[in-house]
Amino acid sequence: GQNIDQPTEMTATEGAIVQINCTYQTSGFNGLFWYQQHAGEAPTFLSYNVLDGLEEKGRFSSFLSRSKGYSYLLLKELQMKDSASYLCAVMDSNYQLIWGAGTKLIIKP
Amino acid sequence: ETGVTQTPRHLVMGMTNKKSLKCEQHLGHNAMYWYKQSAKKPLELMFVYNFKEQTENNSVPSRFSPECPNSSHLFLHLHTLQPEDSALYLCASSQDGTSGSETQYFGPGTRLLVL
Repeated sequence: GQNIDQPTEMTATEGAIVQINCTYQTSGFNGLFWYQQHAGEAPTFLSYNVLDGLEEKGRFSSFLSRSKGYSYLLLKELQMKDSASYLCAVMDSNYQLIWGAGTKLIIKP
Repeated sequence: ETGVTQTPRHLVMGMTNKKSLKCEQHLGHNAMYWYKQSAKKPLELMFVYNFKEQTENNSVPSRFSPECPNSSHLFLHLHTLQPEDSALYLCASSQDGTSGSETQYFGPGTRLLVL
């Protein structure tokens, strides 16, 4: 079956760095997405990786290793507004997104 | 301003009621999606429409009935729901659903409570 695993919850301190991991097993791979979802709001797109390596976008970076079925989202210089859930999703061979349950990130002052 | 809107934002209904959820996208996309999001569970894809044609129905019970009159509008008709159907229902759109790099854009969702 298809499976996406990510930690349920993480806590970090304002100004620090946090890494949210995601491992996946899917039927085919057409890329991996990270979305951010604040409570009560729509998920919003953060990043897309299809090749191995690190993609940097401001304070956020996303890494992919296809051979290991592994990705992480790295958030630097954490701000209180970064408190949200972070969703990992893989595009499978049918161009459908397979989603993880999300990681709730709590930022403390 | 979001490119995908959903109404209503909140809905409470009894198990014998009939209601409809509405989604509209202003992004010029040709693919639209309904997802169910339950607490601490992954998003579940329910239906996919490409160019107004339903291309996916992920074993969704018949008490959920989708309708896509054009590429900009998507409805989810609800009837005789069960309490376990209480969840956040999210609508999304993308360019045409055929590319791996295609980003899906989400609406704010309808929070549904079935009593």
